Amino acid sequence: GQQLNQSPQSMFIQEGEDVSMNCTSSSIFNTWLWYKQDPGEGPVLLIALYKAGELTSNGRLTAQFGITRKDSFLNISASIPSDVGIYFCAGPTNTGNQFYFGTGTSLTVIP
Amino acid sequence: DSGVTQTPKHLITATGQRVTLRCSPRSGDLSVYWYQQSLDQGLQFLIQYYNGEERAKGNILERFSAQQFPDLHSELNLSSLELGDSALYFCASSVGRGVDTEAFFGQGTRLTVV
Repeated sequence: GQQLNQSPQSMFIQEGEDVSMNCTSSSIFNTWLWYKQDPGEGPVLLIALYKAGELTSNGRLTAQFGITRKDSFLNISASIPSDVGIYFCAGPTNTGNQFYFGTGTSLTVIP
Repeated sequence: DSGVTQTPKHLITATGQRVTLRCSPRSGDLSVYWYQQSLDQGLQFLIQYYNGEERAKGNILERFSAQQFPDLHSELNLSSLELGDSALYFCASSVGRGVDTEAFFGQGTRLTVV
């Protein structure tokens, strides 16, 4: 089935550094969602993107919907320890009847 | 707190058994989604219900079934359980009908099959 590939798979960064991660698909997506999952918790929605080329911010987070509609990027500026977790991209296929999560990027912030 | 409530939080059962997982969506949400999260498969979409009717289907096994009741709570039934069914099962809810609407997740039910 469809797979959303995220890179990098894991990141270890110093507190205060900026972070970039991306998500790519072989199919076109009409919506991109970015979620964060803390250990033992359900994913929490961070940002939603609905148009190709759209750039949306939520505090220190900025996400972009790629022009090709097959990719999306998430940036975190000035990372802090509570940014630790697994970040997932997600979205429906353009037929709208299936929903996929990416493989995840695990972020560790070193104080 | 997302407003989505799942029970039980943990479940341990034997192979071959049947279990029921329960989900109460956020107030006002009409859609309920079920997901399975395992180490090797990641987060897999299982099924969506909207206002009591099945709306979309993902990688749900035939041994699994779900339903959404008139009060909008949902149950996921897992039968003839196998060791490989051990996973976190999440419920999510959203206002809209399409699977592209923003969904809020519960804290999950951790199922262990022994």
